[in-house]
Amino acid sequence: GENVEQHPSTLSVQEGDSAVIKCTYSDSASNYFPWYKQELGKRPQLIIDIRSNVGEKKDQRIAVTLNKTAKHFSLHITETQPEDSAVYFCAAHFGNEKLTFGTGTRLTIIP
Amino acid sequence: GAVVSQHPSRVICKSGTSVKIECRSLDFQATTMFWYRQFPKKSLMLMATSNEGSKATYEQGVEKDKFLINHASLTLSTLTVTSAHPEDSSFYICSAMDGRGTGELFFGEGSRLTVL
Repeated sequence: GENVEQHPSTLSVQEGDSAVIKCTYSDSASNYFPWYKQELGKRPQLIIDIRSNVGEKKDQRIAVTLNKTAKHFSLHITETQPEDSAVYFCAAHFGNEKLTFGTGTRLTIIP
Repeated sequence: GAVVSQHPSRVICKSGTSVKIECRSLDFQATTMFWYRQFPKKSLMLMATSNEGSKATYEQGVEKDKFLINHASLTLSTLTVTSAHPEDSSFYICSAMDGRGTGELFFGEGSRLTVL
């Protein structure tokens, strides 16, 4: 089955700096790659997603890049703010609508 | 976006009892719902895929007799943890897609189960 690896597991960034989280996937058939933000005790919330027909997508301070050849995709958060502190999960989706999640990254923004 | 509601948000039960968790799609019909389990500081692990009108598909290592899933209507799926034990204590989250074909998953609020 699909395997998604995510790095780093924890990340501390000074407020205003950028944060980058990387994921790799194993199934070349995967075609949808969402990123979720989860605050403590809350449900995961979709923050951005990308499909295999594009290499980059941006939404204000958040961007995602996809390298299909290397089978990896990354989340970029610029001008980080304290409210960006949360756990972030990448995921990969293939054919039968089953999402496989990465192991998560705990992002801490230092004021 | 689509709304998925999950109930109860918290439940505490005694060992040996059964607990039912409900997952509802409020403004769309969901032929497929997914049940995840999340341990503290860990990722979401897919337990099973719930299919309306048919048997659920369980992931490897998940006991189907332990975690009973019923998807009797297009807006409701239930997860029953039978004969619960302390090791079943966890955060259970359901999710569904809204049928637009985007692939986006909408999550319920989650249910924190504590088995004493």
